[in-house]
Amino acid sequence: DIQMTQSPSSLSASLGDRVTITCRASQGISIYLAWYQQKPGKLPNLLIYDASTLQSGVPSRFSGSGSGTDFTLTISSLQPEDVATYYCQKYDNAPRTFGQGTKVEI
Amino acid sequence: LHLVEPGGGLVQPGGSLRLSCVGSGFTFSGYWMSWVRQAPGKGLEWVANINEDGGEKYYVDSVKGRFTVSRDNAKKSLSLEMNSLRVEDTAVYYCVRGSGWYDYWGQGAQVTVSS
Repeated sequence: DIQMTQSPSSLSASLGDRVTITCRASQGISIYLAWYQQKPGKLPNLLIYDASTLQSGVPSRFSGSGSGTDFTLTISSLQPEDVATYYCQKYDNAPRTFGQGTKVEI
Repeated sequence: LHLVEPGGGLVQPGGSLRLSCVGSGFTFSGYWMSWVRQAPGKGLEWVANINEDGGEKYYVDSVKGRFTVSRDNAKKSLSLEMNSLRVEDTAVYYCVRGSGWYDYWGQGAQVTVSS
C-alpha cells in the first residue's frame, strides 16, 4: 500500500506568516490528493481536492500544489482561526490513506 | 445536507456492533459513501467505502473479514457491521459522503471496545 508522510508533524508560526505543509506519497498518485483542516473538537473540513482545487467557501489564503509524489498545502498569511491539524489524503485507489497530520499553532 | 449517525456504544472485546448513518438533502443513491474513524488523540483513518449501488466495497486491511459496509438507498442509509471488535477499534466513526475527497461528514459515533 502507498504510504502518505506529512512534514512537519507540528509547527509554530506568527500571525501573517506564510506556512507550508508537505505531503509525500511513497508512490505516484497523480493529482488524487485532498487536504483537510480539523480544528480542536470539530469535524474535519475539506479544503482542497485534486491537489490544487479550492473547495467552495474556503478562504483564498489556502492553496495546494503538486502531483505525483510531492504535494504542498500553503497558507499565505496565517490567521488565528487557522489553528488546527491539517491532513492530506490520497484517493487514487483503496486504501484511501490519510497522512499523520500536521498541527499548526500560533 | 445532513448525515446523521445514531448509535455507537460500549462493547466488550470480541463483541459486535452495528453503526448506521442516514443521509438527507442530497441524492443519496448518486454517491459513493465511506467510513472514516479517529482514535482518541490520533489522526484520521479511512475504514471502508461502498459504491452507489452497493456492488463495490473496499476496506482497510485491519478490518477486512471483520467489518461489512452496506447501504439501503431506499432508506438513504449506510451501515457498518463490526464483528470481532478489538480494543484498537475504539474510535469516533464518521460517515462521509464521497469516494475520493469527502465534502460532508456526519457528527460521528463513539465506539468504545473495553472489558
